[in-house]
Amino acid sequence: GAGVSQSPSNKVTEKGKDVELRCDPISGHTALYWYRQSLGQGLEFLIYFQGNSAPDKSGLPSDRFSAERTGGSVSTLTIQRTQQEDSAVYLCASALYADQLEAFFGQGTRLTVV
Amino acid sequence: AQKVTQAQTEISVVEKEDVTLDCVYETRDTTYYLFWYKQPPSGELVFLIRRNSFDEQNEISGRYSWNFQKSTSSFNFTITASQVVDSAVYFCALLEYGNKLVFGAGTILRVKS
Repeated sequence: GAGVSQSPSNKVTEKGKDVELRCDPISGHTALYWYRQSLGQGLEFLIYFQGNSAPDKSGLPSDRFSAERTGGSVSTLTIQRTQQEDSAVYLCASALYADQLEAFFGQGTRLTVV
Repeated sequence: AQKVTQAQTEISVVEKEDVTLDCVYETRDTTYYLFWYKQPPSGELVFLIRRNSFDEQNEISGRYSWNFQKSTSSFNFTITASQVVDSAVYFCALLEYGNKLVFGAGTILRVKS
């Protein structure tokens, strides 16, 4: 596609439910990143993919968070048993190569846990 | 630890004023990259500029200019003759080893007509 696409753009979920957030990177981009933007925490790195593997998962805040990438393309970030503190905007970015010298960001998914 | 500080939480200016957004960083790496991103109300982060640690030349792109000073660990961003469309949140970021961007807290810029 022309840009990084994320879906849904907005998601409201009840506390305790699981959610899946999707990211479609720019075609041909090998690197994919997830960041979280929340009030008080700013923009935080979550996980990075090179192809389908995730060399760096250090930013995932708990074991309720997981992510996968298939076919070197689409990535899904899953949050299990959501908590109110998970409310944030989840941003995905892709880059042609892993050095992220120019990463392109999607518009994000705004997650609200009620 | 690597850190980026944007001390200005919010700046308001009147159209056509010049405005400088400050960014101070901390890193122990000798090779690193610094970035500025713009986040308009639509939410996506728009890449503005990247500098590597070996290139301290200032850069100008239209109304935008950047002043990189390693001696003070600063990478400041100036908008000349600001316009309402410049209203956004601006983030300074440092590329950390392992391909993570470390972001500052962001500066909200409001340009009033």
